Amino acid sequence: QKEVEQNSGPLSVPEGAIASLNCTYSDRGSQSFFWYRQYSGKSPELIMFIYSNGDKEDGRFTAQLNKASQYVSLLIRDSQPSDSATYLCVGTDSWGKLQFGAGTQVVVTP
Amino acid sequence: NAGVTQTPKFQVLKTGQSMTLQCAQDMNHNSMYWYRQDPGMGLRLIYYSASEGTTDKGEVPNGYNVSRLNKREFSLRLESAAPSQTSVYFCASSEVMGTNYGYTFGSGTRLTVV
Repeated sequence: QKEVEQNSGPLSVPEGAIASLNCTYSDRGSQSFFWYRQYSGKSPELIMFIYSNGDKEDGRFTAQLNKASQYVSLLIRDSQPSDSATYLCVGTDSWGKLQFGAGTQVVVTP
Repeated sequence: NAGVTQTPKFQVLKTGQSMTLQCAQDMNHNSMYWYRQDPGMGLRLIYYSASEGTTDKGEVPNGYNVSRLNKREFSLRLESAAPSQTSVYFCASSEVMGTNYGYTFGSGTRLTVV
């Protein structure tokens, strides 16, 4: 079992709608989490970082963390075709090494 | 702002050949990493260097070696390439290793072993 689990998708979202991505993790020692976006054929780029329970908002992105349920989510509001990408949920082990989920593919349809 | 630079971008090797993937960062980061990415499996850590002068094995180190040449450069060597090493390789760096530090990735090397 992977440390970080995500649905692979694809998640199809109409333009202008909210995309909701979910992630669970098994390592209770994980303290912080990242969301990376990866366009096809490109490298991952960091879009969100969260370490406290609750919500964190940055522009159209909101990350949510629930450590009791070992659950992380990412909401993308007003989805645009440019948001079509694979989103990687990433936890950290106690040494600070990143633990990557396999990613959820998001497709925003005009 | 080059960030993390990887060379080459593409490479085709024959089984048994050797090669070195180069990585350099200009952000004065202390920690550097090598990952491979395969379809459906996400990014897997091959080796990492927490600081200049140190290297450690990651999740999938077999068949690879690394050298932290200086603070900027971290190379990955395949001594005898195998088809199972066909993958996309990413180098990354972070200011330090810690739970609050994200990584900056290079553009990747697409390696095919035939």
